[in-house]
Amino acid sequence: EAAVTQSPRNKVAVTGGKVTLSCNQTNNHNNMYWYRQDTGHGLRLIHYSYGAGSTEKGDIPDGYKASRPSQENFSLILELATPSQTSVYFCASGDRGQNTLYFGAGTRLSVL
Amino acid sequence: QQKVQQSPESLIVPEGGMASLNCTSSDRNVDYFWWYRQHSGKSPKMLMSIFSNGEKEEGRFTVHLNKASLHTSLHIRDSQPSDSALYLCAASLSGSFNKLTFGAGTRLAVCP
Repeated sequence: EAAVTQSPRNKVAVTGGKVTLSCNQTNNHNNMYWYRQDTGHGLRLIHYSYGAGSTEKGDIPDGYKASRPSQENFSLILELATPSQTSVYFCASGDRGQNTLYFGAGTRLSVL
Repeated sequence: QQKVQQSPESLIVPEGGMASLNCTSSDRNVDYFWWYRQHSGKSPKMLMSIFSNGEKEEGRFTVHLNKASLHTSLHIRDSQPSDSALYLCAASLSGSFNKLTFGAGTRLAVCP
C-alpha cells in the first residue's frame, strides 16, 4: 500500500508564530497535495505540486506557502499563524495512473 | 460557495438497511467523480470512482452517474455498523485528474 507520512501529528502554535508541516511519500508519485479539513467544509485544497521544485496555488492559498524540494517531500508553511488556521491538515499523493489519492494520517494544528 | 454539494448532511439507517447518498457539481467542466470514506479519526480512503454515465457495482456498494446533470449517487445495501463514517464526494476536471474538489460530506450512522 502507498505510504504517506506526515509530521508532526499534533501541533500547538502561538498566534504570529511560524509553523511548518512536513509530508513524505515513498510512492514515487509526481503529484502531492495539501488539504485542510473543517466541519461543514469537507477537504479544501491549499497548495499542490506536480514535481520537485513546483508548487501551485489551490483554492484557499492565502496565509500558506508550500515547498517541494524533492520528489518525496512536500511542506506546508504558515509564516504567521492565526487562530483561523486551526484545523486538521492532510497531505496526499497521487498520479494519473493511480486513480486515487493516498492520504497521510493528518496533522491536528491548534493556533492559540 | 461549495462547488460540490452533498446531501443529506447526515443519515441514520438501521443495520441491514439501504443508505443513499447524493452529490452534485455546479462546475460544468467536471468530468470525473470519486467517493471517499473517512472513519472517525482516520484519513479518507477511496471507495469507488465513476467516469462514465451509468452504474457501477462493487459488492454492497453501487454508484450512479448522470453527466448531463453532474449528479452522482452512492447506494449501500445491507448496511453494517462498520459502514458508519463520513462519505466524501469529490470531482475533478478532465485535465486535472488528481486535483480533486471535495464536498462537505454526508455523515452516515448505521444503528444495530
